[in-house]
Amino acid sequence: GAGVSQSPSNKVTEKGKDVELRCDPISGHTALYWYRQSLGQGLEFLIYFQGNSAPDKSGLPSDRFSAERTGGSVSTLTIQRTQQEDSAVYLCASSMTGWETEAFFGQGTRLTVV
Amino acid sequence: KQEVTQIPAALSVPEGENLVLNCSFTDSAIYNLQWFRQDPGKGLTSLLLIQSSQREQTSGRLNASLDKSSGRSTLYIAASQPGDSATYLCAVNTNAGKSTFGDGTTLTVKP
Repeated sequence: GAGVSQSPSNKVTEKGKDVELRCDPISGHTALYWYRQSLGQGLEFLIYFQGNSAPDKSGLPSDRFSAERTGGSVSTLTIQRTQQEDSAVYLCASSMTGWETEAFFGQGTRLTVV
Repeated sequence: KQEVTQIPAALSVPEGENLVLNCSFTDSAIYNLQWFRQDPGKGLTSLLLIQSSQREQTSGRLNASLDKSSGRSTLYIAASQPGDSATYLCAVNTNAGKSTFGDGTTLTVKP
């Protein structure tokens, strides 16, 4: 597609429920990143996919967070047993080949855990 | 661990002024540095990407410089307009393969 697409744009969920956030990167981009932006805080790196390499999961805050990237394209970020502190904007980005190339961001998913 | 600092945190200027936003980083072993703008409630829009071997990049009224040895980058905005009002973020990509963002500078350009 023309840009990075994320869905849903907004998600309200009850504490304890699982949520899935979707990211559709720019066609042909092999690198995909997930970030979290909490209110009043900067961007926090979560996970990085590059081609067929094992993903860099070093930023995931707990084992309740996981992400997949199927077929080297679409990615899903899953948060299990959501907590109120998970409320944030989750941003996805993609780039042509990796950290050395320009990253393009989606509009984000605003997650609210009530 | 890479640390990225952006100064000032907020800036308000009258329309037409030229201005400079600053970004400093602690680890000079970088791939590149990227400047973004973020409008309220929106994602990030890429403005300029400077590779570690480059000194500056220009796009329209924007000019970004990079001094890797001193760990600094500046974003110069010429003839500012109210539409430039946004939060400006710099992101540093290191050779370790990780992107570290500053907390941003929130710019307000008054008509």
